[in-house]
Amino acid sequence: SAVISQKPSRDICQRGTSLTIQCQVDSQVTMMFWYRQQPGQSLTLIATANQGSEATYESGFVIDKFPISRPNLTFSTLTVSNMSPEDSSIYLCSASPGAYMNTEAFFGQGTRLTVV
Amino acid sequence: GQNIDQPTEMTATEGAIVQINCTYQTSGFNGLFWYQQHAGEAPTFLSYNVLDGLEEKGRFSSFLSRSKGYSYLLLKELQMKDSASYLCAASDSNYQLIWGAGTKLIIKP
Repeated sequence: SAVISQKPSRDICQRGTSLTIQCQVDSQVTMMFWYRQQPGQSLTLIATANQGSEATYESGFVIDKFPISRPNLTFSTLTVSNMSPEDSSIYLCSASPGAYMNTEAFFGQGTRLTVV
Repeated sequence: GQNIDQPTEMTATEGAIVQINCTYQTSGFNGLFWYQQHAGEAPTFLSYNVLDGLEEKGRFSSFLSRSKGYSYLLLKELQMKDSASYLCAASDSNYQLIWGAGTKLIIKP
């Protein structure tokens, strides 16, 4: 199994500012993902963080708004840029040791973001 | 399109058995996952099915029928700590996870 440390656990930010969320895995993993989850709702995939190359974004999410870094096989960051109240949500980092999603994914504890 | 359906909420009694159903429609299929998520916490893995049939793991079992696009999670001998949301997720042809909205399970004494 993999243990994921995600920080910050929560933050309250002013609109127009940016927040960077960090995710550290205790072992090398092939795949890392960033999700957004509204309370009581499903997980929405923002992007797949690719090691050494640009992230792969899902429909509705763009690099300028959610820049992602993945410098190595154990670490990734997600930045929420130029925040607005609509960005208030829980952001989750996830990692999978396998090359494909046919193995279990592990999750960080999440970052609860409130934009005021 | 791709879709996962599961009930929004279920209520059961401590010590009883509950079955949470999940139906899926995906472009290709590479397995069905169940995760447990307590309020304010991250999802944790419960089970993975890629072949038809029942997989048993302690008090929890998961069933898959690929021809019907159907899965269920069976929880036996319910305990109060089982109160949580249960998320169903299907892996599509690109091995991307398609997530259901989750079923909130309420356990009553």
